[in-house]
Amino acid sequence: DGGITQSPKYLFRKEGQNVTLSCEQNLNHDAMYWYRQDPGQGLRLIYYSQIVNDFQKGDIAEGYSVSREKKESFPLTVTSAQKNPTAFYLCASSITGVRETQYFGPGTRLLVL
Amino acid sequence: QQQVKQSPQSLIVQKGGISIINCAYENTAFDYFPWYQQFPGKGPALLIAIRPDVSEKKEGRFTISFNKSAKQFSLHIMDSQPGDSATYFCAASMLGGATNKLIFGTGTLLAVQP
Repeated sequence: DGGITQSPKYLFRKEGQNVTLSCEQNLNHDAMYWYRQDPGQGLRLIYYSQIVNDFQKGDIAEGYSVSREKKESFPLTVTSAQKNPTAFYLCASSITGVRETQYFGPGTRLLVL
Repeated sequence: QQQVKQSPQSLIVQKGGISIINCAYENTAFDYFPWYQQFPGKGPALLIAIRPDVSEKKEGRFTISFNKSAKQFSLHIMDSQPGDSATYFCAASMLGGATNKLIFGTGTLLAVQP
């Protein structure tokens, strides 16, 4: 089956700790995205990548980092600099640019201990 | 100018009724307007999308109405069913925009009562 997988489903972070969220797609899509979802605020773009080895900051990139070494993988690291990391994180992909349909993964819920 | 304003925040509709969710935008450069449906604990899924060259698009019980002059678009769910209970997001993007991204509304939580 083609789709987007995110792991883990739940992730707990301690103060001062970096954590990495996994996102893998087997749709052969060029573009991938990371969004943060908070109650009442919709989806906000953290980072996006339109091609391997290239990525751009979204609206709320501070405290986050990404890499795009492989077409199918776009991991997100939540660094200790992100002071309010508790949220639902969604990864998405599309064939090419943003105006193509974006397909979302099931999400990772990050909680701070 | 980059915002998409969505209302209402929540909506309760009886089974068989019509659910209406509205969105408004300021940036006239937006030229793609999708709606996403999200069930609890899941990622959003594209429901229906419209471009500004048409005023209405219908797919089954779901219809997008688009008013270019008013810079508004809305989602109508006809014959609403309990299975339609979800959060709905409108979004907008522009071709060739510097940001090259989807701008999402804040979402509407729809509850369809049996």
